[in-house]
Amino acid sequence: QSALTQPASVSGSPGQSITISCSGASSDVGTYNLVSWYQQHPGKAPQLMIYEVNKRPSGVSDRFSGSKSGNTASLTISGLQAEDEADYYCSSYAGNTNLVVFGGGTHLTVL
Amino acid sequence: QPQLQESGPGLVKPSETLSLMCTVSGGPISSSSYYWGWIRQTPGKGLEWIGSIFYSGNTYYSPSLKSRVTISVDTSKNQLSLKLTSVTAADTAVYYCARHRCSGGKCFSFPPISFDPWGQGTLLTVSS
Repeated sequence: QSALTQPASVSGSPGQSITISCSGASSDVGTYNLVSWYQQHPGKAPQLMIYEVNKRPSGVSDRFSGSKSGNTASLTISGLQAEDEADYYCSSYAGNTNLVVFGGGTHLTVL
Repeated sequence: QPQLQESGPGLVKPSETLSLMCTVSGGPISSSSYYWGWIRQTPGKGLEWIGSIFYSGNTYYSPSLKSRVTISVDTSKNQLSLKLTSVTAADTAVYYCARHRCSGGKCFSFPPISFDPWGQGTLLTVSS
């Protein structure tokens, strides 16, 4: 059982926007603005899409955005494209004892 | 961006020790801005952080694996390694190494928080 809770799947049509939630606790997401999001295509390694809740690494499309409210973080993808179909994982800093916790992952289907 | 490449035996017998290597190219492992981490992904399942190490040797380990894990770094070879003892079938997974960036790029002041980039991963099967 993952420390962070994500929906197993979401879907959307090309051009639409979708949001993936990531629910944690006061010991991780709720306390630290250190949430990251990763995209993983089949057979590939994960790729960092968002860090520190809402920052995008160089080269990541501005269609990807992150936010947080309380113990829940969210990833929003606007203007859905076929290439966005992938698995998405959130993670959070959780203190010096258990540095990193991941969500169970969400499969995004572009209809 | 540096490139990371994992290497390992592919198959390990139950109760034995798993040993994996990660070679970093295109940038020094001895940077004050990054830790270097190991993450695994069981078939069809999610990601699990194993541990991370700074070039000085400072380490963080997952509490659930801490008793069986050792991560070390060789700055002269730009490599990090992972050893996991007493493996079982539950340790069968794709093992990734990744650069673990510190908040603000300052590992002496802030913890590592995000993994970027990742190696391509290496499948490790535990079976007799």
